[in-house]
Amino acid sequence: QKEVEQDPGPLSVPEGAIVSLNCTYSNSAFQYFMWYRQYSRKGPELLMYTYSSGNKEDGRFTAQVDKSSKYISLFIRDSQPSDSATYLCAMHSGNTGKLIFGQGTTLQVKP
Amino acid sequence: EPEVTQTPSHQVTQMGQEVILRCVPISNHLYFYWYRQILGQKVEFLVSFYNNEISEKSEIFDDQFSVERPDGSNFTLKIRSTKLEDSAMYFCASSRDPLGYTFGSGTRLTVV
Repeated sequence: QKEVEQDPGPLSVPEGAIVSLNCTYSNSAFQYFMWYRQYSRKGPELLMYTYSSGNKEDGRFTAQVDKSSKYISLFIRDSQPSDSATYLCAMHSGNTGKLIFGQGTTLQVKP
Repeated sequence: EPEVTQTPSHQVTQMGQEVILRCVPISNHLYFYWYRQILGQKVEFLVSFYNNEISEKSEIFDDQFSVERPDGSNFTLKIRSTKLEDSAMYFCASSRDPLGYTFGSGTRLTVV
């Protein structure tokens, strides 16, 4: 079983839609959960991180963690064409800085 | 906003040659990392570096790879004898703590 699984998509939505991006993981030791956005031929850009179950909101973005189900989500409200990118989940145990990434989901928001 | 700077942006090298990928981390950061991303695949951890030594490395980071912080600002990844399968985007990252990474824009390495 892969440590982190993420549907690669692609996911195409109309502008203004609510987007839901998800990852599952198998390692119970993971404590910190990140979402990165990556534009083509650029490095990942940190959007949000959380370390407990529950929700964390930042503007149009909400990160949700369910440790009992080993499931994390990122919701994007009022999606914009500029949100079109690949979204990567990543996580680690907190003992070292080593991040384990998901495959990334490619999102296209159509005007 | 502070950035992690990587040079060159694209490097083409012949198989068997040595390459050095360079990174300038953010100045007050203490943790340094290299990751790579083969086209169409996941971003993969290579190595982390803290307090002037390697703190963790992956199975990918074999004897062909080495890292150095030759002065107070640069952080380099050396691949001694490149193979075709080393072709990838290589990302440097730095952080003040093991959580808030900032990645550079990457060096695309093409081995021919």
